[in-house]
Parts: sequence; structure tokens; C-alpha cells
Amino acid sequence: AQTVTQSQPEMSVQEAETVTLSCTYDTSESNYYLFWYKQPPSRQMILVIRQEAYKQQNATENRFSVNFQKAAKSFSLKISDSQLGDTAMYFCAFSDNAGNMLTFGGGTRLMVKP
Amino acid sequence: EAGVAQSPRYKIIEKRQSVAFWCNPISGHATLYWYQQILGQGPKLLIQFQNNGVVDDSQLPKDRFSAERLKGVDSTLKIQPAKLEDSAVYLCASSLLRGPYEQYFGPGTRLTVT
Repeated sequence: AQTVTQSQPEMSVQEAETVTLSCTYDTSESNYYLFWYKQPPSRQMILVIRQEAYKQQNATENRFSVNFQKAAKSFSLKISDSQLGDTAMYFCAFSDNAGNMLTFGGGTRLMVKP
Repeated sequence: EAGVAQSPRYKIIEKRQSVAFWCNPISGHATLYWYQQILGQGPKLLIQFQNNGVVDDSQLPKDRFSAERLKGVDSTLKIQPAKLEDSAVYLCASSLLRGPYEQYFGPGTRLTVT
């Protein structure tokens, strides 16, 4: 069974600065998918970014980028130029090659301070 | 495009009572998921439907939880009888296809069992 671990329960960052959220996972599979989802205080979860394990290039979506280290089984999320609207819970998630069953980490609560 | 709809948004019941949650996925989405999110934790998949068939229900406590997706559109999740540990937010999500695609989440139903 896959496990996903987020070791930072809470983090804070000043507006306009950069912050990195950590995620590690455990799997015996060679191909899989990793995701970062954002859950604002209103609770509607939305996808931030997705990484396919067979792609060596790190995914990027505007201010959001990942550092995917397959050998280390690490998948961190970097948020550049943090905005107040980035305040939310962030969940790292794993999906097998068939895309079945998202396994979520415990989440990191990010507070962006003005 | 309308998002995933869920009702009710909040529900308070006493232990041993029954409760049902309803989900209407995004139009055209074949895959539907029910997650349980206990306070302070990441969502845990309860059941996954592909059209009106069950793909994965390995983590569904079948002695008390049941779910159906009639006609491959709307879905209901039922708990009977409820226990104190069932207090959680129940999230419904849908995706266009089965696979490692973006899941679109509803606002959730917050259940409190007293």
C-alpha cells in the first residue's frame, strides 16, 4: 500500500515571499502520478499541480512548481510570490499508474501574512 | 460549467441514527468518488464508481456504509447506524474518465454524530 507523508503541519510566509511545502511517499511502483491539491477555508478542494513519475521535468503552473526527486521519493511544492489567497490547506496525493485511488497526505496548513 | 453539488451541507444526528448524503457530479463525468475527511486529516477514499458500477470499495465499512449511483449520474452515500467516529466531512468528487485525471470536488457535507 502506498503512503504519503507531509511532515509540516503548519507553515507561514510573508506575502510576496517564496515557500516550499514538503511531501514524501512510499511505493514499489515505477510509474505513478503525484498531485498537490489546495483546500481553502471554504473547503472546496482544487488541483494545483500534477506530476507524472516517468517525466523527469518538474511540473510548473504559473507561481507553483514542484521539485520531484524520484529516487528520494520526494515531491515538494514551491509557491513563489505568495499571495493572501494562497492561504489554505495543501494536500499531497499519490495515484497509481491506472489512476485508481488517490492517497492523500495529512496536509500542511499554510498561512500567508500581509 | 456547474461544479459538483452536495447536500446537505451540514447534518447533526445522534449515534445509532441513519443519515444519507447526496452528490450530483459535473455533467458528463463518468467517475465519481466519495471521500471521508476526519478533522485534521487528509481525505480517505471510501468508494469509487465508474458510471454506475463500483470500481473500488475496499475502504468502505460495509457493515454500516452503503452507496449507490443509479443511472450513472447522481449518487447517495448512507450510514446506518452512525457511530461517534463517523463525525467527519464527506466529500464527493468526479472526473471525466477513470484514470490519473483531475478530480473536481464538491463543498462537502459536515456530519456531526453526538
